[in-house]
Amino acid sequence: AQKITQTQPGMFVQEKEAVTLDCTYDTSDPSYGLFWYKQPSSGEMIFLIYQGSYDQQNATEGRYSLNFQKARKSANLVISASQLGDSAMYFCAMREGYSGGGADGLTFGKGTHLIIQP
Amino acid sequence: DGGITQSPKYLFRKEGQNVTLSCEQNLNHDAMYWYRQDPGQGLRLIYYSQIVNDFQKGDIAEGYSVSREKKESFPLTVTSAQKNPTAFYLCASSPGTEENSPLHFGNGTRLTVT
Repeated sequence: AQKITQTQPGMFVQEKEAVTLDCTYDTSDPSYGLFWYKQPSSGEMIFLIYQGSYDQQNATEGRYSLNFQKARKSANLVISASQLGDSAMYFCAMREGYSGGGADGLTFGKGTHLIIQP
Repeated sequence: DGGITQSPKYLFRKEGQNVTLSCEQNLNHDAMYWYRQDPGQGLRLIYYSQIVNDFQKGDIAEGYSVSREKKESFPLTVTSAQKNPTAFYLCASSPGTEENSPLHFGNGTRLTVT
C-alpha cells in the first residue's frame, strides 16, 4: 500500500491565486514527520516545509503553510499568492520515527505538477 | 558553501557497461541516500548509509551497488544487471535519522543508457 498519496497529477492555477496541493499519508507510527519539496525543471529538490506529528499548530514558512489534519491523515500544502516561479513539481514525503527509526530516509509521493499561468 | 555535489550532470553509457555516479557532501552528515526518479513517479530509495563502512538496501537495490569508505562520499554503481538504468538519480544526506530531519539533495545525475 502506498504510504504517501498525491491525487493531483497536474494543476493549472492563475497567478496570484492561492493553491492547495493535496497529500494523504498512511502510517501506524505515533511519531512521524511530514515534508514538502519543490522540484523545478532543473531537477534540484528544494525543501519547503516540515510538520511533526506532535505539532499542535500548522507549520508556516513565508508563503507556504501546511494544513495538517491528523485524524484524516492529511497534510496539504497551501501556497498563498502564487507566482510564476512557483511552477514546478511538488512532492509530499514522510519520515517515520519508531519503525526503522527513520534511518531509511523519506518516503515520497508521486508528485503534483503545478503550472502557474499569467 | 556546504552542500552535496553530484557529478556528472549528464551521463551516457552503452548497454552492458557498468557506470559509477559520484556523490560528495561537505555538510558533515552521517546519513546518505540514493534515490531514483522516473517520469511520473516519485523518488524511490536505492541504498542508504548511516555510517562509514555500513550501508543497507532500499526498495529497489537490484542491479546497483554502493560503497561508503569515507563520510563525505557515497558513490553509486549502476551495473549491467540493472534492467532499466535510464533515469534521474538523486543523492541526499541528512544530519540525523530522526523524524524531523529533512534530506538535503544534490542536483542529480541524468543517466541515459542506449
